[in-house]
Amino acid sequence: DTAVSQTPKYLVTQMGNDKSIKCEQNLGHDTMYWYKQDSKKFLKIMFSYNNKELIINETVPNRFSPKSPDKAHLNLHINSLELGDSAVYFCASRETETQYFGPGTRLLVL
Amino acid sequence: QKEVEQNSGPLSVPEGAIASLNCTYSDRVSQSFFWYRQYSGKSPELIMSIYSNGDKEDGRFTAQLNKASQYVSLLIRDSQPSDSATYLCAVTRTSGSRLTFGEGTQLTVNP
Repeated sequence: DTAVSQTPKYLVTQMGNDKSIKCEQNLGHDTMYWYKQDSKKFLKIMFSYNNKELIINETVPNRFSPKSPDKAHLNLHINSLELGDSAVYFCASRETETQYFGPGTRLLVL
Repeated sequence: QKEVEQNSGPLSVPEGAIASLNCTYSDRVSQSFFWYRQYSGKSPELIMSIYSNGDKEDGRFTAQLNKASQYVSLLIRDSQPSDSATYLCAVTRTSGSRLTFGEGTQLTVNP
């Protein structure tokens, strides 16, 4: 009965590769997010979708492309991975004021 | 100036003491304020939200908001070792808008 799930949990890859992270929520929420948390624990929003529509797009390189096939899913594709992309990526969904975070995907770019 | 600033840690308190975590924000029109707790290697979880000036209590946790001073704090009474975590302050401008997080304060409660 996981509320917000992400796959994979860990991702180790080489520079220049393309990778995807998937997120699913079974809470029936309309709004979903992608956050990036760097090594200093700073959590920064990247994207937000409401009912499959992009509503927030922070200053993120266009190598990052979110896709929402339906309101329960929000995936993140990253092209040409760079060392600086190493971080933990959290998906979240929102009901009223409360955001529920997924377990995170730990990405390490070598 | 950072949008949300938290007192630099790490903060260490003995078991049973009061832990005080502070946060200031720069956007005067901010309306909603949150405290998230994040255990090492885990995802953030919401522990308190506050929307109006004053205090809000929930068990051992008390959130305090002063909009005039653009200041929000979290007090943890009778601190337990299980409270050891990073505490993230977050702010939204309007209802339902994006959360802006501070950099977090790492709290250690020593038995």
